[in-house]
Amino acid sequence: SQTIHQWPATLVQPVGSPLSLECTVEGTSNPNLYWYRQAAGRGLQLLFYSVGIGQISSEVPQNLSASRPQDRQFILSSKKLLLSDSGFYLCAWDRGFSNSPLHFGNGTRLTVT
Amino acid sequence: QQQVKQSPQSLIVQKGGISIINCAYENTAFDYFPWYQQFPGKGPALLIAIRPDVSEKKEGRFTISFNKSAKQFSLHIMDSQPGDSATYFCAATLFYSGAGSYQLTFGKGTKLSVIP
Repeated sequence: SQTIHQWPATLVQPVGSPLSLECTVEGTSNPNLYWYRQAAGRGLQLLFYSVGIGQISSEVPQNLSASRPQDRQFILSSKKLLLSDSGFYLCAWDRGFSNSPLHFGNGTRLTVT
Repeated sequence: QQQVKQSPQSLIVQKGGISIINCAYENTAFDYFPWYQQFPGKGPALLIAIRPDVSEKKEGRFTISFNKSAKQFSLHIMDSQPGDSATYFCAATLFYSGAGSYQLTFGKGTKLSVIP
């Protein structure tokens, strides 16, 4: 069966520090991969998606970046965090078909202080 | 045109009552309409989904009603229970030629609280 791992679960970082969140998917190949951000009590904001290794599309201009160094690995990074980067970050994957369920990880709660 | 509008933003229902969440869309190219359920501190998970050629789909206490002509769909939770308290997102899939793939557009979510 397919599983998605996302870590860490919580993270507290000072303003200006770097960030690296990692997500890996097991049990499937060539998935579409996504990074979403959810502010407290708010909806799901799509940040990045990838349909293949090295292929990254950005939905929102910001100081975050994403990379996909391997087929089932998706990394979210920042060189210098801002207070506004605080939120709940969710990695997800699907098969890219019309009726393909989107499978989410359990998220990383990031607090920038 | 890519939006899915969801209402209400929050909903309080008595235990045993019916919870109703509504969504509307404009783009007729959307071709699959799932609902996701999210508990606090967790990622959303697929709850139930419907194709636009079907007017209703029922799974246990959860029912999707779909009105293609009105471009609206709704989630009904019958006999609502405190364990149903969560945030619910409607969504719609669309083919993006640039990506060569279908992707989801989410509504903004409804926070449901079922009180005993």
